[in-house]
Amino acid sequence: QKEVEQDPGPLSVPEGAIVSLNCTYSNSAFQYFMWYRQYSRKGPELLMYTYSSGNKEDGRFTAQVDKSSKYISLFIRDSQPSDSATYLCAMSAGNYGQNFVFGPGTRLSVLP
Amino acid sequence: NAGVTQTPKFQVLKTGQSMTLQCAQDMNHEYMSWYRQDPGMGLRLIHYSVGAGITDQGEVPNGYNVSRSTTEDFPLRLLSAAPSQTSVYFCASSYGGIVNTEAFFGQGTRLTVV
Repeated sequence: QKEVEQDPGPLSVPEGAIVSLNCTYSNSAFQYFMWYRQYSRKGPELLMYTYSSGNKEDGRFTAQVDKSSKYISLFIRDSQPSDSATYLCAMSAGNYGQNFVFGPGTRLSVLP
Repeated sequence: NAGVTQTPKFQVLKTGQSMTLQCAQDMNHEYMSWYRQDPGMGLRLIHYSVGAGITDQGEVPNGYNVSRSTTEDFPLRLLSAAPSQTSVYFCASSYGGIVNTEAFFGQGTRLTVV
């Protein structure tokens, strides 16, 4: 079993739809949860960061963490064609020098 | 503000050749790392460094060497290229410290080994 699992998609939705992206993980030591967005032929860039369980909202994006279920989600409201990208979840236990563990990414296409 | 700069952007190597992928950051970050990205595999950690003079292996270190003589630079060396090393390579840096959060990535190096 991989440490972080993520549905690879691809996921195609019409413009304006609500998108739900999810990751599950097995390591209970993870405390820091991140979502990265990666456009084609570019490096990943940080989209959202959450510590421990709970929700965090930033504009059209909401990140949710449920540590009891080892499950994290990213919701995109009013999706736009510019949201078309690969979304990677990443996690860390947060210790000094602690590495990130990335999910394989979900490819999202928002159709106009 | 350059951030993380990787060179070259593209490279084709013959099996058995060696080369160095360059990575430089101008954010004074302690922590630097190299990942490879393959379809369906996500980002896999090759080597990382928590500061100048300190390096360690990640998940997939075989066939790669690193060194960290300065805070700014973290080159990745392929000793004898193999077709299995065909991939997109990303260098990343982050503040490190007690909480290791946002990683800043370079634009990637697309390597093909024939």
